Amino acid sequence: GNSVTQMEGPVTLSEEAFLTINCTYTATGYPSLFWYVQYPGEGLQLLLKATKADDKGSNKGFEATYRKETTSFHLEKGSVQVSDSAVYFCALSEDGYNKLIFGAGTRLAVHP
Amino acid sequence: NAGVTQTPKFRILKIGQSMTLQCAQDMNHNYMYWYRQDPGMGLKLIYYSVGAGITDKGEVPNGYNVSRSTTEDFPLRLELAAPSQTSVYFCASSRGWGNTIYFGEGSWLTVV
Repeated sequence: GNSVTQMEGPVTLSEEAFLTINCTYTATGYPSLFWYVQYPGEGLQLLLKATKADDKGSNKGFEATYRKETTSFHLEKGSVQVSDSAVYFCALSEDGYNKLIFGAGTRLAVHP
Repeated sequence: NAGVTQTPKFRILKIGQSMTLQCAQDMNHNYMYWYRQDPGMGLKLIYYSVGAGITDKGEVPNGYNVSRSTTEDFPLRLELAAPSQTSVYFCASSRGWGNTIYFGEGSWLTVV
């Protein structure tokens, strides 16, 4: 079945460091791919998405490129801030009902 | 700016008790979802609905029931609560296929 695997956390970085969170997926068809962010005590918010191969999603300085050949959708940011501290979830959706399959989440802690 | 509203935010249940988690959205969205999030895990889909009167099972439906009598509301019923149902529950909604999914802030449930 479909699944999402993302790197385990926590990831601890200093402010202004480069961030990469790895995400790979298994799908039978051509899924849409998403990154969601969950700040402490809040629900999930869509960070960015890509709907087809080679698409690049971007938002708030974060980027991820849909790589069909490596079945990956790695999240990157050039310079993280303390306010980026959160849990990041990679997810896919393959059917017409927007049902999401999530990875386990990666906690990011950014220190001044 | 209500969006997706869940109640209650916190609840402690005794084994065997029943309760209903309420979810309401004011965005006139057709699709609604219930997910659960266990510690260190991604979200898993419990039930979903694509419109009033239409519901279907997700990945982990056992021990739960739902109804969708109106577009706005999508309550989740727990019958005979068990410790395995201790989790954080998220309700979500979207306009339809390909549209952004909006999440509520979550309901923390502990079964003792």
